[in-house]
Amino acid sequence: DQQVKQNSPSLSVQEGRISILNCDYTNSMFDYFLWYKKYPAEGPTFLISISSIKDKNEDGRFTVFLNKSAKHLSLHIVPSQPGDSAVYFCAAKGNQGGKLIFGQGTELSVKP
Amino acid sequence: DGGITQSPKYLFRKEGQNVTLSCEQNLNHDAMYWYRQDPGQGLRLIYYSQIVNDFQKGDIAEGYSVSREKKESFPLTVTSAQKNPTAFYLCASGFYGYTFGSGTRLTVV
Repeated sequence: DQQVKQNSPSLSVQEGRISILNCDYTNSMFDYFLWYKKYPAEGPTFLISISSIKDKNEDGRFTVFLNKSAKHLSLHIVPSQPGDSAVYFCAAKGNQGGKLIFGQGTELSVKP
Repeated sequence: DGGITQSPKYLFRKEGQNVTLSCEQNLNHDAMYWYRQDPGQGLRLIYYSQIVNDFQKGDIAEGYSVSREKKESFPLTVTSAQKNPTAFYLCASGFYGYTFGSGTRLTVV
C-alpha cells in the first residue's frame, strides 16, 4: 500500500522555465512533508519542508505547496537550472515516531 | 563537521555470503534508518532504530539484520537469505528531517 505517490517518473523542462513536481498521499495523519534531491550514486539531500499547519513554504527558487483537502503537495522550481537535474523524492512523516515514508521519486531533467 | 558516513562505497558479495554495511553518525541523533533503493521503486525502509539497543523492522526486513549497540553506529548485515541483494543502500539519521549517508552499492557476483 503506497501511502506516498509520485505518479510522474520523469519530467523534462527547458532552462529558465518552471518545474512542477507533484506528490499525493493517502494518510490524513501525516503532519510534516519534505522534499529531497538525489544525484546518482549519492545520498539524498534535504531541499525544503512544510508543516501541515501551513499551505506554502518558500526558500529561494523552491516553493512547496500543500493542499490538505486534496492530500496533495507540489514543489515548484523557478527558474529551473541544468544543475537542478536530479531525482526528487517527496516524503511524509507518519504517525509512528519519526519514520518518513518516501514516494517513488521523479527524475527531473532541465535542458539548456 | 557533523555528518553520517557509510562504508564501503562499493561492495561485492558472492552467493551465500553475509556482508555487513557500516553506518556511523556524529550528529548525536537518537534515530537511525536503513533504506534500499531500486530503480523505479524509490526508497524502501529495511530497519530503523529510535534508541540504542532497540530496533524495528521496516517494510522489507527479510534477509537483513541490524544491531544498535552504540548511538553512533547502526550496521546492516545482508544475509544469504536475502534473495535479491543487489541494490543501493542508504543509511540516515534524524527525526523530522533525515541526514543521509552517501550510500553503498552492493553487487552480487
